[in-house]
Amino acid sequence: KQEVTQIPAALSVPEGENLVLNCSFTDSAIYNLQWFRQDPGKGLTSLLLIQSSQREQTSGRLNASLDKSSGRSTLYIAASQPGDSATYLCAVPWRETSGSRLTFGEGTQLTVNP
Amino acid sequence: NAGVTQTPKFQVLKTGQSMTLQCAQDMNHEYMSWYRQDPGMGLRLIHYSVGAGITDQGEVPNGYNVSRSTTEDFPLRLLSAAPSQTSVYFCASSRGSSNQPQHFGDGTRLSIL
Repeated sequence: KQEVTQIPAALSVPEGENLVLNCSFTDSAIYNLQWFRQDPGKGLTSLLLIQSSQREQTSGRLNASLDKSSGRSTLYIAASQPGDSATYLCAVPWRETSGSRLTFGEGTQLTVNP
Repeated sequence: NAGVTQTPKFQVLKTGQSMTLQCAQDMNHEYMSWYRQDPGMGLRLIHYSVGAGITDQGEVPNGYNVSRSTTEDFPLRLLSAAPSQTSVYFCASSRGSSNQPQHFGDGTRLSIL
């Protein structure tokens, strides 16, 4: 059974700092990996989706990397801002499926202090 | 563009009551799913559908029923509510082709007394 782990569970940084969130998964037979953002009391917003054939994906100040062989992904946030404060979750599809069924990590709760 | 709409946003039930959580999407997505989110457990898949008339069980299906009569709607039914079903429920949808991101609703916060 696929297991997804996110470290750290919580992170507090001053504004302007560059930071890295980590995600690891046990079964490397995945089609893709998604990073989501969740604000308190809200649903999840998809940030980046990396296909298994890709090494990284970028959107603005966010960069996500994927190393299937080692079962790891990282989300890099450049020049963090207070508005980046949220919980960040990673998710992978069930084995040999492309995305309708996801297994999630428990998330990293990020606080960016002004 | 409304995206994924869930109703109600909050609900309190008594043990043994039944209810239906509604989910509708206006993006013509083939795939729809229901997850529950609990502290220390993360999000877990309850049921999913790959198209109208097709549903299947996820990781934690017991106590829940689903049906998919149209592309737009995917209701989740609690047959006889139990305190263990107190949770936040999220509906999600995505296109049927490979490597498409999932879109989530804002959730239904359900308490069972």
